Amino acid sequence: AQSVTQLDSQVPVFEEAPVELRCNYSSSVSVYLFWYVQYPNQGLQLLLKYLSGSTLVKGINGFEAEFNKSQTSFHLRKPSVHISDTAEYFCAAHLVTGGFKTIFGAGTRLFVKA
Amino acid sequence: DAGVTQSPTHLIKTRGQHVTLRCSPISGHKSVSWYQQVLGQGPQFIFQYYEKEERGRGNFPDRFSARQFPNYSSELNVNALLLGDSALYLCASSLDLGGNTIYFGEGSWLTVV
Repeated sequence: AQSVTQLDSQVPVFEEAPVELRCNYSSSVSVYLFWYVQYPNQGLQLLLKYLSGSTLVKGINGFEAEFNKSQTSFHLRKPSVHISDTAEYFCAAHLVTGGFKTIFGAGTRLFVKA
Repeated sequence: DAGVTQSPTHLIKTRGQHVTLRCSPISGHKSVSWYQQVLGQGPQFIFQYYEKEERGRGNFPDRFSARQFPNYSSELNVNALLLGDSALYLCASSLDLGGNTIYFGEGSWLTVV
């Protein structure tokens, strides 16, 4: 069975500090990997995606993520966070074959403190 | 171009009633997916439609159904509503089934009382 696990439910961090949000996935078929951000009472906004090629992908708002096939991980990083980055972050895996569905992790609440 | 649009944005229903949620994908997108997001959890996949055919289904009861129209818009129907159906229902569109870029709407908030 396919699954996506976000290892931290909440991550508090001070403004201008670096942050890493961790995501592991499990799948027997090829997947595309995504990170989404959700602000309160809003839908999901795509931050970045990994489809193939370079394992380091850069997204919007200064975020980047690294795909590690051997560790089945896709961790999200930002070198310096802002108060406005406070939001819920979701890691997701889209199954390329065998069902065409996207599986989301439970989410990580990033709280940036002044 | 407009993004993914969903209606209604908020609605309140009584247990046992039926609800229909609507979604218009981005122009040119042929695939629509539906997700249920219960408060405090990640979105759960319900359905994916492509070219008016169901191409993926999540672990939801038969009370949940959907369809896609010739203009690629979609409806999600839920019968015999339960309190546990209270959630944010998200629609997403993509060009095709490949899923390499999925765009989400703002969602429809359903409260069942």
